[in-house]
Amino acid sequence: GQQLNQNPQSMFIQEGEDVSMNCTSSSIFNTWLWYKQDPGEGPVLLIALYKAGELTSNGRLTAQFGITRKDSFLNISASIPSDVGIYFCAGQRETSGSRLTFGEGTQLTVNP
Amino acid sequence: KAGVTQTPRYLIKTRGQQVTLSCSPISGHRSVSWYQQTPGQGLQFLFEYFSETQRNKGNFPGRFSGRQFSNSRSEMNVSTLELGDSALYLCASSWQEGPNYGYTFGSGTRLTVV
Repeated sequence: GQQLNQNPQSMFIQEGEDVSMNCTSSSIFNTWLWYKQDPGEGPVLLIALYKAGELTSNGRLTAQFGITRKDSFLNISASIPSDVGIYFCAGQRETSGSRLTFGEGTQLTVNP
Repeated sequence: KAGVTQTPRYLIKTRGQQVTLSCSPISGHRSVSWYQQTPGQGLQFLFEYFSETQRNKGNFPGRFSGRQFSNSRSEMNVSTLELGDSALYLCASSWQEGPNYGYTFGSGTRLTVV
């Protein structure tokens, strides 16, 4: 099935470092969402973006909706061990109702 | 306020059998969507129900079906199970159609087909 291109696939960082990941697509999206998934659990919404160019923060997390509406990025500042998990981007198109298209995920490992 | 509840959490079935998974949305939420998550294909949309009507359907074979009851609880059914149906099945609920309205996922049902 169609997915968003999410990079990087995995990251190994030291506690305190900043992290950046992004998603790109050849299609335009109306909404971009960023989720975190812990093992054995469902994805938990971190940040939702509804407007091209929008920059939104949630604590140490900052995400932006690309101007072209075909990309988005997520930054995590001053990482801590509990940031470990898989981060997914998801996009929603105007014509797709509630259907979300997900990226492949970024596996983040934080070394204390 | 209780979250999205999926039952059972784990399930083991034999190839050829059928299975029914249940999802109870957050109280007041009327939209329920289902996703399949596998290591190879990632998160794939199955279908969405709103007010007991299927509103949207993904690219899955007819063996995958669902329904929604008047209390917004939803079930999905997979008939004639195949090994490739082994996956984490997730449902998400929101009070209106669309992810702009509090789209919350449950913890999922881990289905293993042997």
